[in-house]
Amino acid sequence: SYELTQPLSVSVSPGQTASITCSGDKLGDKYACWYQQKPGQSPVLVIYQDNKRPSGIPERFSGSNSGNTATLTISGTQAMDEADYYCQAWDSSTVVFGGGTKLTVL
Amino acid sequence: QITLKESGPTLVKPTQTLTLTCTFSWFSLSTSGVGVGWIRQPPGKALEWLALIYWDDDKRYSPSLKSRLTITKDTSKNQVVLTMTNMDPVDTATYYCAHRKTYCSSGSCYPYDAFDIWGQGTMVTVSS
Repeated sequence: SYELTQPLSVSVSPGQTASITCSGDKLGDKYACWYQQKPGQSPVLVIYQDNKRPSGIPERFSGSNSGNTATLTISGTQAMDEADYYCQAWDSSTVVFGGGTKLTVL
Repeated sequence: QITLKESGPTLVKPTQTLTLTCTFSWFSLSTSGVGVGWIRQPPGKALEWLALIYWDDDKRYSPSLKSRLTITKDTSKNQVVLTMTNMDPVDTATYYCAHRKTYCSSGSCYPYDAFDIWGQGTMVTVSS
């Protein structure tokens, strides 16, 4: 079965750029999306179709996808961005989530 | 705006069947391209996709759970129902339903590969 691999944790200082990766076999041939989940809350879509932002998502969130890796980039990271982030893709008409990355802003 | 809400039992016993209902508003599951999925999350763990149903009654299931899952829709009630058989304590989780993001043009909608609106989730504990 298809798998997506994310780092368990990423740390970033306020105002700096955070990058969270998501790896999967030929992931660049698929569309990747990203969700943000804060404690006790439902996931929120922050990037879809590799690099598109839904309405209401700040411009500091961006995405890319090429080869075997999709990347979520948060520019000028703020304390409010501290959360778990999950990548997701489709494989053979089924949905696959990555294992999640805890982003710490310190 | 689109909303979804999950409902069902908070506690089930091992070997029982779980039935969850997702009640949604401001979209129709009879519109071409529309889909609703179920995703779960054990405490402190990652999201896991379970199932998805489309406007045309096409159904998709997680390969690892397919034998235990059934997803159905009631278009007239704006509901999607998920049943999971033979529940086990490892199935303890928050269960979410979510709307598959679409874009609509000229009366038809086309799906993106993402879930844009999620319900609040419902916590299900499996214990005797």
